[in-house]
Amino acid sequence: DQQVKQNSPSLSVQEGRISILNCDYTNSMFDYFLWYKKYPAEGPTFLISISSIKDKNEDGRFTVFLNKSAKHLSLHIVPSQPGDSAVYFCAPHNGGATNKLIFGTGTLLAVQP
Amino acid sequence: DVKVTQSSRYLVKRTGEKVFLECVQDMDHENMFWYRQDPGLGLRLIYFSYDVKMKEKGDIPEGYSVSREKKERFSLILESASTNQTSMYLCASSFPGTQETQYFGPGTRLLVL
Repeated sequence: DQQVKQNSPSLSVQEGRISILNCDYTNSMFDYFLWYKKYPAEGPTFLISISSIKDKNEDGRFTVFLNKSAKHLSLHIVPSQPGDSAVYFCAPHNGGATNKLIFGTGTLLAVQP
Repeated sequence: DVKVTQSSRYLVKRTGEKVFLECVQDMDHENMFWYRQDPGLGLRLIYFSYDVKMKEKGDIPEGYSVSREKKERFSLILESASTNQTSMYLCASSFPGTQETQYFGPGTRLLVL
């Protein structure tokens, strides 16, 4: 049973516009959420995170929004750049000291010049 | 800078062979993880280790085993490789704690013929 869903397998956006990547989860016990970015033939790299006590976290061009009642989070990239083209994974933390993450299926973002 | 290295970037093996994938991290992290990434399925946790000689099964441990004899090294073993184990294998490490980031290696693309 998929606890974390990214329903858009791919997204295409023009350079300079906003990219919005969505993530839905089912477990209300998740309390910390991370986004990772992955280029082909490389490992994922951490991008931005948000704690469940917040509803927004911003870092430069990247903002993550959390709607706990809807069990939904989204990643906004403004303005989008061609170098942002990658696969983005949403990864809630499963709780506990072992720091297990539950990864979504990923969204492939293509930013067109 | 955290560095996680994996012994091979690409591997081709035959069905039935025993396969060793090695991962080394240089940040003295307690936690280490093995994932596989498949199209449409995201990253799925195979095994993780929270200390030397300690291991726990992840979501898809069948057909795999692991070894952690030293803190910096975590090995994934495919006892008898099968074609359905063709995948991208990713190693990660982190400190324990709910808000600690996992750092990933570059991945090993394994093809089992």
